[in-house]
Amino acid sequence: AQTVTQSQPEMSVQEAETVTLSCTYDTSESDYYLFWYKQPPSRQMILVIRQEAYKQQNATENRFSVNFQKAAKSFSLKISDSQLGDAAMYFCAYRGFSDSKLTFGKGITLSVRP
Amino acid sequence: GAVVSQHPSWVICKSGTSVKIECRSLDFQATTMFWYRQFPKQSLMLMATSNEGSKATYEQGVEKDKFLINHASLTLSTLTVTSAHPEDSSFYICSAQALAGGPGEQYFGPGTRLTVT
Repeated sequence: AQTVTQSQPEMSVQEAETVTLSCTYDTSESDYYLFWYKQPPSRQMILVIRQEAYKQQNATENRFSVNFQKAAKSFSLKISDSQLGDAAMYFCAYRGFSDSKLTFGKGITLSVRP
Repeated sequence: GAVVSQHPSWVICKSGTSVKIECRSLDFQATTMFWYRQFPKQSLMLMATSNEGSKATYEQGVEKDKFLINHASLTLSTLTVTSAHPEDSSFYICSAQALAGGPGEQYFGPGTRLTVT
């Protein structure tokens, strides 16, 4: 079974600085998808970024980028120029290529200091 | 596009009663819908997967007789918590996927907070 590990329960970053959230996963599949979701205090899940395992290029979405290391099964999220609105819980998630179910990590609470 | 709604957003019910939560995909047809449960400051726990017109597939440890899921159409799935007890109090989130497997994204509803008194 696939597992997703987020070992840091909390992180804090100064506004305008850069922060990296870590995620590792375990799978025996070669093709899959990885996601980072944001859950702000409203609790609405928001897709931040997604990475297809067959793509070597790291995904980027504006201030958000990932460092995808397939061999190491590592998928970290970098948030540049952090903003107060980035404060939220962030979940790393895995989905098999032909599967529908998402496997979530435990999440990390990110706070942003003004 | 790709909006999923849930109703109600917050419900309080008495112990022993049943409560129904609706999940609707507003601008797309969802072949697959998922129901999650989330406790404060914890991750989402998948309860069941439902495909339109067929019985839901429940995750291990989830009581199918207690959490009734119906996916009656391509835009509506319902979760009914039967004979609710205080320990059922939680935040319930649904998500909907347009295409089974493949690159289809899961779009999440805003969640329903259930409080059982």
